[in-house]
Amino acid sequence: GAGVSQSPSNKVTEKGKDVELRCDPISGHTALYWYRQSLGQGLEFLIYFQGNSAPDKSGLPSDRFSAERTGGSVSTLTIQRTQQEDSAVYLCASPTLAGVIPGELFFGEGSRLTVL
Amino acid sequence: KQEVTQIPAALSVPEGENLVLNCSFTDSAIYNLQWFRQDPGKGLTSLLLIQSSQREQTSGRLNASLDKSSGRSTLYIAASQPGDSATYLCAVPSGAGSYQLTFGKGTKLSVIP
Repeated sequence: GAGVSQSPSNKVTEKGKDVELRCDPISGHTALYWYRQSLGQGLEFLIYFQGNSAPDKSGLPSDRFSAERTGGSVSTLTIQRTQQEDSAVYLCASPTLAGVIPGELFFGEGSRLTVL
Repeated sequence: KQEVTQIPAALSVPEGENLVLNCSFTDSAIYNLQWFRQDPGKGLTSLLLIQSSQREQTSGRLNASLDKSSGRSTLYIAASQPGDSATYLCAVPSGAGSYQLTFGKGTKLSVIP
């Protein structure tokens, strides 16, 4: 697509439910980031995918969080057994690449998650 | 661990003023630095990307400089307009060889008509 597309834009769920957030990066971009932005906080790195390399999962806050990228394009971030502290805006971004070095970063509009 | 600081946290200026936003980082082993703007309830929009070998980049009324050795970057906005009101964030790689990016908490700019 022309830009990074994320869905849903808003999600309200009950504590303990599972949620899936989707990201469709810019067509042809082989790398993809997930970040989390909590109210009043900075952006927190979650996971990075690049091509067929093993993803950098070092930012995932707990084993309730997982992400996959199918076919090198669309990515899904799954949060199991949601907690109130998971409430945040989840941002997806795809960068241009110079070799393997990430360049300009293009963000989606984010998925706002509210856990009641 | 890379730390990014942006000063000031908030800034209010009258329309037409020139202004400077600051970004400092602790680990100078970076391959680039980016400046973004974020409007309320929106994602981030890339403004300028400076490669580590560059000293500055310009786009329209925006000019970003990079002093890698001192761990500093500035974003200069000329002739500010109310439409420039937003939060401005800078981001750098989290460490040598890292593809993670560390973001500052941003400077919230208000341009008063």
